[in-house]
Amino acid sequence: GAGVSQSPRYKVAKRGQDVALRCDPISGHVSLFWYQQALGQGPEFLTYFQNEAQLDKSGLPSDRFFAERPEGSVSTLKIQRTQQEDSAVYLCASSLSQGARGRGHEQYFGPGTRLTVT
Amino acid sequence: SQQGEEDPQALSIQEGENATMNCSYKTSINNLQWYRQNSGRGLVHLILIRSNEREKHSGRLRVTLDTSKKSSSLLITASRAADTASYFCATGFYQTGANNLFFGTGTRLTVIP
Repeated sequence: GAGVSQSPRYKVAKRGQDVALRCDPISGHVSLFWYQQALGQGPEFLTYFQNEAQLDKSGLPSDRFFAERPEGSVSTLKIQRTQQEDSAVYLCASSLSQGARGRGHEQYFGPGTRLTVT
Repeated sequence: SQQGEEDPQALSIQEGENATMNCSYKTSINNLQWYRQNSGRGLVHLILIRSNEREKHSGRLRVTLDTSKKSSSLLITASRAADTASYFCATGFYQTGANNLFFGTGTRLTVIP
């Protein structure tokens, strides 16, 4: 596709339910990132994949959060036993490569999934 | 916790005026990026400046980077109503082979037609 897509765009979950958020990155992009954005704040890093390998999950707030990218393209962020503090917009981004040391590349963001836990 | 902080938190200007936003960060970086986010939409990359660069231009955008002061500024010249958005700086550094971005809290810019 032309850009990063995410589904669903909106999700309402009752406290305690499990949710799964999907991200389709730009075709051919090696790197995939998940961010969490609370209302009025900037995005906060959750986890990073290089192809199918999850190289960094230091930003995941608890063991209720789990992400996977089994074939190195589509990724799923799963939140188990959702809590009200999980309410946020979850953003997925992809980039062409991981970037050589000192380089860095722009990231292309999807529209996000707005999760509301009631 | 977030790496950077933007200043001001909110800015309101008339169309045609210039807008300047500042970003300060805490640790050594490899690059700094600016993103724009319109209400209800995703983040759009504006410009990337590397740690060995001091200034970069892209259209009506001018970004400066002062690594000694750990600060950056974004200047938008001849602003338009369509520039109304939140602007975030994001710092990147090499970590486990990635370039995870750490975002600031953003500047909300309103351009009045």
